[in-house]
Amino acid sequence: KNEVEQSPQNLTAQEGEFITINCSYSVGISALHWLQQHPGGGIVSLFMLSSGKKKHGRLIATINIQEKHSSLHITASHPRDSAVYICAVPYSGGGADGLTFGKGTHLIIQP
Amino acid sequence: DTGVSQNPRHKITKRGQNVTFRCDPISEHNRLYWYRQTLGQGPEFLTYFQNEAQLEKSRLLSDRFSAERPKGSFSTLEIQRTEQGDSAMYLCASSFSGGNGYTFGSGTRLTVV
Repeated sequence: KNEVEQSPQNLTAQEGEFITINCSYSVGISALHWLQQHPGGGIVSLFMLSSGKKKHGRLIATINIQEKHSSLHITASHPRDSAVYICAVPYSGGGADGLTFGKGTHLIIQP
Repeated sequence: DTGVSQNPRHKITKRGQNVTFRCDPISEHNRLYWYRQTLGQGPEFLTYFQNEAQLEKSRLLSDRFSAERPKGSFSTLEIQRTEQGDSAMYLCASSFSGGNGYTFGSGTRLTVV
């Protein structure tokens, strides 16, 4: 079973700051997911990536397959970015059998 | 398509009662997953279906839990003889094999009193 570690667990920053959230996993994977969860429970998929880098608006996700490590960056952070960010990888590496999740990074952006 | 729909959104039940949750996935998605999330933790995998076949169950899914997807469309998750430790958010997600990712529902929050 894949194990996922995220850091930091909690992060408070000022509006406009550059944010980095890190994720490490234990078993080689087909793809890694970054998810966003707002209070109330709904989860939104931000990125699925298997190599390199992806960008969507102010969000950037990178992955290093050899090092089993991924980062999520937020540029020009805004209070509406406040949420829990969760990294997830396939339960056993392959992908068909569901995801294993990190505990999440609770991000608060203060105005 | 309105995404993955879960009902009810909230359920409060007394210990020992049975509860059933429903998940309606995105219609084109052949895979459906159930996860459980407790406060301050990431979601944990419970089980998944490909079409109507239940292909994997986590050790978390005790004998009191059963999931079905009878026609390969919607799915139900039943918990029998609920315990206080069952209180959690139950999340459903769907995907298409060979596709690009997962779509999650808003979850059903269960409180056992």
